Amino acid sequence: KNEVEQSPQNLTAQEGEFITINCSYSVGISALHWLQQHPGGGIVSLFMLSSGKKKHGRLIATINIQEKHSSLHITASHPRDSAVYICAVRPGYALNFGKGTSLLVTP
Amino acid sequence: DGGITQSPKYLFRKEGQNVTLSCEQNLNHDAMYWYRQDPGQGLRLIYYSQIVNDFQKGDIAEGYSVSREKKESFPLTVTSAQKNPTAFYLCASVKDRGNEKLFFGSGTQLSVL
Repeated sequence: KNEVEQSPQNLTAQEGEFITINCSYSVGISALHWLQQHPGGGIVSLFMLSSGKKKHGRLIATINIQEKHSSLHITASHPRDSAVYICAVRPGYALNFGKGTSLLVTP
Repeated sequence: DGGITQSPKYLFRKEGQNVTLSCEQNLNHDAMYWYRQDPGQGLRLIYYSQIVNDFQKGDIAEGYSVSREKKESFPLTVTSAQKNPTAFYLCASVKDRGNEKLFFGSGTQLSVL
């Protein structure tokens, strides 16, 4: 079974800070996803990675396949970034999720 | 616009009752998934399906059943055998090539009366 570990579990930052959320997994995967879940439960996909690095606005996601590790960075954080960020991996057909990182950005 | 529709948003179950949660997608996705989320917990896989008329148990399939008679539909039945059904249920789908974006429904909150 592929274990997905995220850190930190909870994170509080001040507006404008640079934020990093980490994800480690235990077996080979075909893809890694970063997701955002807002209060109310809806989940949106932020990134899908199979190698390297992707950037979208203030969000940057990186993956190191050899080390089985990925990071999600948020630059110039804003209170609207407050949400739960979830890492999910695909070892084959199934999708396995981390428990999520709860981020609160204060003004 | 394409997407996934889950219904209902809220559902209440009586003791001994089976209830069915709907998940429909118009994205022409091959793979569909059902997850359960408990407060403070990560998403746990109940069932998934890669193609029509085929589905696989996930980590917590006991007390649940699914069907995949059509590509666009993947309903989940919570049976009376599921003794602790109160949770948030999410349906997801992806075009099954391993490198496509995930799509999620808006979820169903199931509670026991």
